[in-house]
Amino acid sequence: QQQVRQSPQSLTVWEGETAILNCSYEDSTFNYFPWYQQFPGEGPALLISISSVSDKKEDGRFTIFFNKREKKLSLHITDSQPGDSATYFCAASGGGGSAKLIFGEGTKLTVSS
Amino acid sequence: DMKVTQMPRYLIKRMGENVLLECGQDMSHETMYWYRQDPGLGLQLIYISYDVDSNSEGDIPKGYRVSRKKREHFSLILDSAKTNQTSVYFCASRDWGGYAEQFFGPGTRLTVL
Repeated sequence: QQQVRQSPQSLTVWEGETAILNCSYEDSTFNYFPWYQQFPGEGPALLISISSVSDKKEDGRFTIFFNKREKKLSLHITDSQPGDSATYFCAASGGGGSAKLIFGEGTKLTVSS
Repeated sequence: DMKVTQMPRYLIKRMGENVLLECGQDMSHETMYWYRQDPGLGLQLIYISYDVDSNSEGDIPKGYRVSRKKREHFSLILDSAKTNQTSVYFCASRDWGGYAEQFFGPGTRLTVL
């Protein structure tokens, strides 16, 4: 059973548009949610993260919105660039700084110019 | 330079052969991981190692074993490889405590014929 789910599986936006990637989770003990970015042929790399005490985290063009009540998050990429084309993974981990991350299935983003 | 390395990058084996995948990190991280990545399934945790000779099963340990004799080195072993173990394998490491970032290697693409 997938504890972290992402949608859509794939997304295409035009350069300059805002891409919205969605994530939901089931375990209410999850309290840390990193997003990883992966380019073809490479390993994932941490992009941005949020803890459950916040409802928003911003880093440049990347923003996480977090709704604890609904157990949902979204990653907004504003002014999307072709270089943002990658697969994005939402992940979650539990309390106590657990070393284990549960990853979603990923969203493949394509930014067309 | 913080880095996780994996060897080999590509490997083709026949069913029933033994497979050794190697991972190294230069950050003195205590915790290391092995994941496999398959299309539509995201990253699935095979094993986690908390330090030398302190290894725990992840979510899909069946058919795999690991060895960690030095903090900077973590091996994944497939005894008698099966065709359904064809996948891309990623190693990762992180520092202990809190919500530390996982650093991923570039991956090993394993094909079992």
